[in-house]
Amino acid sequence: DTEVTQTPKHLVMGMTNKKSLKCEQHMGHRAMYWYKQKAKKPPELMFVYSYEKLSINESVPSRFSPECPNSSLLNLHLHALQPEDSALYLCASSQVKGLGLGLPLDTQYFGPGTRLTVL
Amino acid sequence: QKEVEQDPGPLSVPEGAIVSLNCTYSNSAFQYFMWYRQYSRKGPELLMYTYSSGNKEDGRFTAQVDKSSKYISLFIRDSQPSDSATYLCAMRLYNTDKLIFGTGTRLQVFP
Repeated sequence: DTEVTQTPKHLVMGMTNKKSLKCEQHMGHRAMYWYKQKAKKPPELMFVYSYEKLSINESVPSRFSPECPNSSLLNLHLHALQPEDSALYLCASSQVKGLGLGLPLDTQYFGPGTRLTVL
Repeated sequence: QKEVEQDPGPLSVPEGAIVSLNCTYSNSAFQYFMWYRQYSRKGPELLMYTYSSGNKEDGRFTAQVDKSSKYISLFIRDSQPSDSATYLCAMRLYNTDKLIFGTGTRLQVFP
């Protein structure tokens, strides 16, 4: 089973709202990722968690706040977003070979995404 | 120059054709190579994963890596209308979490 689930599938929010995106995997993967994908573009990496610790933040604005409560769950908290933040938000997970941070990772499996519209 | 170059297409072929999708890259340190298929408004689905030069086959799909030329390919045999999707190549260095994607090639297989 290589399933990554994401909720909600669609989200419409105003610029003053606070909302959260959720991601879950039960493959025992210890690395989880958030990506943003605009139409007709490839996914852009936002954050990486390895062993529940933030290991990469690709200079994402603070209106996006990731959280990894445990090894199976990943959240993305959204606050004061802009219309240009409208996109497909993808979660992915992968196995971590070896121990600790910064060691070779196996390939990434993606969830179906949350389509976010900011009005 | 982008690290990974991929023709965006669209590539339109008749059912049953052999499809060739390609990516070139500039960083010779890339070690791992992947092909993802993405249907419209869905997440990318992993198709093939390779880490050495040569061919890897899985059903109708063959992934080819030529590290000396910095060139990877995905071949689809007996293409079906259900293969119509965007195909993304991706690659990464040995000791990093970050995937570098191509822009994706949109494939249309018509009956």
